[in-house]
Amino acid sequence: DSGVTQTPKHLITATGQRVTLRCSPRSGDLSVYWYQQSLDQGLQFLIQYYNGEERAKGNILERFSAQQFPDLHSELNLSSLELGDSALYFCASSPLLGGRSYEQYFGPGTRLTVT
Amino acid sequence: GNSVTQMEGPVTLSEEAFLTINCTYTATGYPSLFWYVQYPGEGLQLLLKATKADDKGSNKGFEATYRKETTSFHLEKGSVQVSDSAVYFCALTLPGSQGGSEKLVFGKGTKLTVNP
Repeated sequence: DSGVTQTPKHLITATGQRVTLRCSPRSGDLSVYWYQQSLDQGLQFLIQYYNGEERAKGNILERFSAQQFPDLHSELNLSSLELGDSALYFCASSPLLGGRSYEQYFGPGTRLTVT
Repeated sequence: GNSVTQMEGPVTLSEEAFLTINCTYTATGYPSLFWYVQYPGEGLQLLLKATKADDKGSNKGFEATYRKETTSFHLEKGSVQVSDSAVYFCALTLPGSQGGSEKLVFGKGTKLTVNP
């Protein structure tokens, strides 16, 4: 158990809908990362937050957005869903910025199926 | 840009066989290197890491050595077990501008199946 929790575990929804994925980082970790794992694209970085502020963006679609709340949990919002958005979405967290540890600890993922 | 290339699978071995999964990287700067493992139906688990040249990461019988001269981080295990069947990902990250880490850049993953 990495200490990172994600809900829900599975999500099935229709095209055009909007969903919210939730992540709670490990205790004490201020950085949260979101990754997408799909068969054709592999594991890709979407976005990073640190202590409530966006720190880095990857190949995140404009239909997707994220935020990190004062209690450090994070949400990834996916809207106008398309079939191609079906994937496993992972959240990861890492220790305090400024530390020397570069490890990221992953949650169990949310499997999104768009029908 | 930064990238990771790992050998394509799938790899199928018999129990107690020797395992090597090749991984090479391209990075601007001095990356930290990782192997993550994903068991069927589960998330990613950190298997081992190395943060500087010639460091050897090891865990659960797996080893990998950070080779700066060949930009490689090959994963090895002397005797695999059926329970090692999983997908293995090589990854790198670069230090953030204020410490900590930037995003992980992953290879495509190598599926390992170990038969009894």
